[in-house]
Amino acid sequence: AQSVTQLGSHVSVSEGALVLLRCNYSSSVPPYLFWYVQYPNQGLQLLLKYTSAATLVKGINGFEAEFKKSETSFHLTKPSAHMSDAAEYFCAVKWRGASKIIFGSGTRLSIRP
Amino acid sequence: DVKVTQSSRYLVKRTGEKVFLECVQDMDHENMFWYRQDPGLGLRLIYFSYDVKMKEKGDIPEGYSVSREKKERFSLILESASTNQTSMYLCASSPLPDTGELFFGEGSRLTVL
Repeated sequence: AQSVTQLGSHVSVSEGALVLLRCNYSSSVPPYLFWYVQYPNQGLQLLLKYTSAATLVKGINGFEAEFKKSETSFHLTKPSAHMSDAAEYFCAVKWRGASKIIFGSGTRLSIRP
Repeated sequence: DVKVTQSSRYLVKRTGEKVFLECVQDMDHENMFWYRQDPGLGLRLIYFSYDVKMKEKGDIPEGYSVSREKKERFSLILESASTNQTSMYLCASSPLPDTGELFFGEGSRLTVL
């Protein structure tokens, strides 16, 4: 079965440090890939998406993600964390031809002052 | 900007009550979705709809039904609420062609006592 795995349900970094949130998916067939962010008591909003153009995708708020087909990964990074980045982040995958998008279980990002 | 509006942000209901969760989108999107969000489980698809009066079961449809009488409105119905349906419910919409990108409402947090 197709699946999406986010390593680490909770990641804590210091303000100004590198943020790295990991996402792997189960199939080597090129999919549509997404990262969504959810701030407390809000719905999800799109952070960035990969749709088969450049493998390095830039999103909002200084985040970016790199699609690595050989590793079936789509990790999210930000060079310097800000307190306002504290939120829950979801990786999501839609395989072409599939009717549904599949979400990872989420990673809660905390930022230490 | 796309706006997806969920009618109630917080609801408290009693076991056995009938519960209606309403969702309206204003961007003429064909696809609409209801998800349930629980800690550690990510988002799980309850039902989705690709057109008016059309519905398809997602991964966890038991105990729920839906209605889509108009393109912009997608309602989730709990015929007889139970305590295990206490959760955050998220509505989303997406346009065609379907690339998987979803636009979410702010969520409805339901507590069943």
